[in-house]
Amino acid sequence: DTGVSQDPRHKITKRGQNVTFRCDPISEHNRLYWYRQTLGQGPEFLTYFQNEAQLEKSRLLSDRFSAERPKGSFSTLEIQRTEQGDSAMYLCASSFIEGTGVDFFGQGTRLTVV
Amino acid sequence: AQSVTQPDIHITVSEGASLELRCNYSYGATPYLFWYVQSPGQGLQLLLKYFSGDTLVQGIKGFEAEFKRSQSSFNLRKPSVHWSDAAEYFCAVGAWGTPLVFGKGTRLSVIA
Repeated sequence: DTGVSQDPRHKITKRGQNVTFRCDPISEHNRLYWYRQTLGQGPEFLTYFQNEAQLEKSRLLSDRFSAERPKGSFSTLEIQRTEQGDSAMYLCASSFIEGTGVDFFGQGTRLTVV
Repeated sequence: AQSVTQPDIHITVSEGASLELRCNYSYGATPYLFWYVQSPGQGLQLLLKYFSGDTLVQGIKGFEAEFKRSQSSFNLRKPSVHWSDAAEYFCAVGAWGTPLVFGKGTRLSVIA
């Protein structure tokens, strides 16, 4: 297990299409976070999970955004009816709440909406 | 409200020169503080963290940072910069097991 894995690394989609991103955290990590990063900005928190429970989702940008972590392992982030403003890097991070408190980040999924 | 300010958007230093990147935070409780580095198109790598104790913390790649509660600052330093240090640097604040609040980042360029 070499770290947090995100798939795909890059996604180009037409406006109005739905997209889904996957994050595989480090295997023993029970916390999983999603962030969005736009050009010239720091990561912006979207939502997070403790095992399969979604602890915070009010920061999701609109009702077009949703996330799941059905078995407490991998997670998916879905964007419905994509808009050009959704173009960004989507980052996933994981941590072990009983551990060091440090979050490990994946390499991100770069979304381009055309 | 929690916030992080990185006053310098872009810094250029000569290879071998010293470096200091500034970070100021606003946080209601005792903060946990982090510095991450991001190379182009990549995710974030943790450089160092401060939770408690000694206010001068050492990190990877020769970086260190000093927590100054009175100034609400957590500046990152390196005595001698290498060309490979060119990247984007992010300061972040949070509490145990909570989502992080990031600054907007400082882009570091290194010239020969």
